[in-house]
Amino acid sequence: GAGVSQSPRYKVAKRGQDVALRCDPISGHVSLFWYQQALGQGPEFLTYFQNEAQLDKSGLPSDRFFAERPEGSVSTLKIQRTQQEDSAVYLCASNPSSGWGEETQYFGPGTRLLVL
Amino acid sequence: AQKITQTQPGMFVQEKEAVTLDCTYDTSDQSYGLFWYKQPSSGEMIFLIYQGSYDEQNATEGRYSLNFQKARKSANLVISASQLGDSAMYFCAMRVLSSGSARQLTFGSGTQLTVLP
Repeated sequence: GAGVSQSPRYKVAKRGQDVALRCDPISGHVSLFWYQQALGQGPEFLTYFQNEAQLDKSGLPSDRFFAERPEGSVSTLKIQRTQQEDSAVYLCASNPSSGWGEETQYFGPGTRLLVL
Repeated sequence: AQKITQTQPGMFVQEKEAVTLDCTYDTSDQSYGLFWYKQPSSGEMIFLIYQGSYDEQNATEGRYSLNFQKARKSANLVISASQLGDSAMYFCAMRVLSSGSARQLTFGSGTQLTVLP
């Protein structure tokens, strides 16, 4: 089947604009994660969903960041009033279970956000 | 809190030779998983190999093997018979597996591998 998809792949925003980034996880995957990857760095956790429930949002850097997954499948990461420091690659990952043990996360191609 | 350290920002290897990418980790938990991902210039993170903290044997997946030394808290990735297509950024990551722990992966800063023809 299809892997994790993300759209748009590239987004250029003017400082102060709102942006919405979409993630389509692998069909049937219960868990969904958002990560932020700055240039030359490893990804850093933003938030985690189990089905439609947002169980962990401890990594969101400010209240300008908001994520939702209303029907337990597609997820949207919204950034309000974008700032230059928001420029990064936003990665979405999913895995099939909500249980413990080995849980390989499968990543999408990411959305590269550039805020001017 | 967990921490992953990758001390090699860049590595070069001749085609067809083996290369080892270093990874050390820090956690106080006894049950955890270690992962290696490959990130080509296209940006997608590709899962390569997994090692559980209680696995007695080192993990292997084709040309990839994980040299797991629990006492040293190291989980080095060995790529045998390097190919030009192996040129990419490589990330070591971990997550704690005990009940109640966070689900997310903690990543290192990565190693840029370049395979020379």
